[in-house]
Amino acid sequence: EVQLVESGGGLVKPGGSLRLSCAASGFTFSSYSMNWVRQAPGKGLEWVSSISSSSSYIYYADSVKGRFTISRDNAKNSLYLQMNSLRAEDTAVYYCARDKEYSSSINWFDPWGQGTLVTVSS
Amino acid sequence: DIQMTQSPSSLSASVGDRVTITCQASQDISNYLNWYQQKPGKAPKLLIYDASNLETGVPSRFSGSGSGTDFTFTISSLQPEDIATYYCQQYDNLPPTFGQGTKLEIK
Repeated sequence: EVQLVESGGGLVKPGGSLRLSCAASGFTFSSYSMNWVRQAPGKGLEWVSSISSSSSYIYYADSVKGRFTISRDNAKNSLYLQMNSLRAEDTAVYYCARDKEYSSSINWFDPWGQGTLVTVSS
Repeated sequence: DIQMTQSPSSLSASVGDRVTITCQASQDISNYLNWYQQKPGKAPKLLIYDASNLETGVPSRFSGSGSGTDFTFTISSLQPEDIATYYCQQYDNLPPTFGQGTKLEIK
């Protein structure tokens, strides 16, 4: 069974940092692009970042560019999101989601993890 | 960025009804359009990819159509378990963008 499990969320002060992790199982992680998508409380979905299978292609939303860094460790079947200079507007549930196999571009998000809540507040 | 506009924003329908949601892109996106279902408190789930292809395991009462700028998502016979918010998403251009969502309720 394909499974994605996020961790690392929590309460952080504005300007602080947090590192999210996503543990993958049930599929060949190293063959798939991966994404982070977030959802502010009571709001819609916003794509955050994407990384290709070999980390050759990395993309960010303008809203997080320069503050967030996506990475992956294929040996550990894990995806990461380092979040620095956090702002109140970064408060959201962060989901990791698998993309298409062997793709250098973003296609779809399937499946999704259960999400981890990041709250930025003083 | 490509703007995705869904309508309606909310919808109330009876069990057994045919339900239709539309999604309009601000520019031509060919068929690079996906539909997701998000039940309360849960992660989204991919239902339809490439505008009209049903994801494996998704009931056949769900369908999608359209190309270019205008797309339609249909539930042929609404079931109680279909209560959710539905989102369209384009991937023709970076960044991928979502519609604002359509909240579906049972009348």
